[in-house]
Amino acid sequence: GQNIDQPTEMTATEGAIVQINCTYQTSGFNGLFWYQQHAGEAPTFLSYNVLDGLEEKGRFSSFLSRSKGYSYLLLKELQMKDSASYLCAVLDSNYQLIWGAGTKLIIKP
Amino acid sequence: GAVVSQHPSWVICKSGTSVKIECRSLDFQATTMFWYRQFPKQSLMLMATSNEGSKATYEQGVEKDKFLINHASLTLSTLTVTSAHPEDSSFYICSARAGGEADTQYFGPGTRLTVL
Repeated sequence: GQNIDQPTEMTATEGAIVQINCTYQTSGFNGLFWYQQHAGEAPTFLSYNVLDGLEEKGRFSSFLSRSKGYSYLLLKELQMKDSASYLCAVLDSNYQLIWGAGTKLIIKP
Repeated sequence: GAVVSQHPSWVICKSGTSVKIECRSLDFQATTMFWYRQFPKQSLMLMATSNEGSKATYEQGVEKDKFLINHASLTLSTLTVTSAHPEDSSFYICSARAGGEADTQYFGPGTRLTVL
């Protein structure tokens, strides 16, 4: 079956760095997305990785290792507004988007 | 760019009535639109995929006669929840994709449906 694993919840301190991991087992791979979802709101796009390596975009970076079925989202200089759920999603061989359950990130002052 | 709107943002209706939710891509043409449902503290659940001018493809377990999807143009898709019941109360979110299958999905703000 298809499976995406990410931690249910993480806590970090304002100003710090946090890494949210995502491991996947899917039938084929056509890219991995990270989305941010604030409570009661729809997801917003953060990043897309299809090749191995690190993609940096401001305070957020996303890493992919296809051989390990692994990705992480790195958030630097954490702000209170970063408190949200972070969703990992993989495009499988049929271009179906398989969603992880999300990681709830709690930022403490 | 890549803005998707949904209307209404929230709706309360009586059991047995039908509710229509609109999803529009405002600054791009969406070849494909997706409808999701999300219950509290749960992950997104894909309900159906629709391509402009063709019938929607429904996920297993989603009743196509209950959740009617129309994708009449490249910028508009509608979801009608027919004969709504309290168990249909949920957060309904649409997303739109401009190009090919590997392109990013951009989400609308969601519609919170409460059926009394």
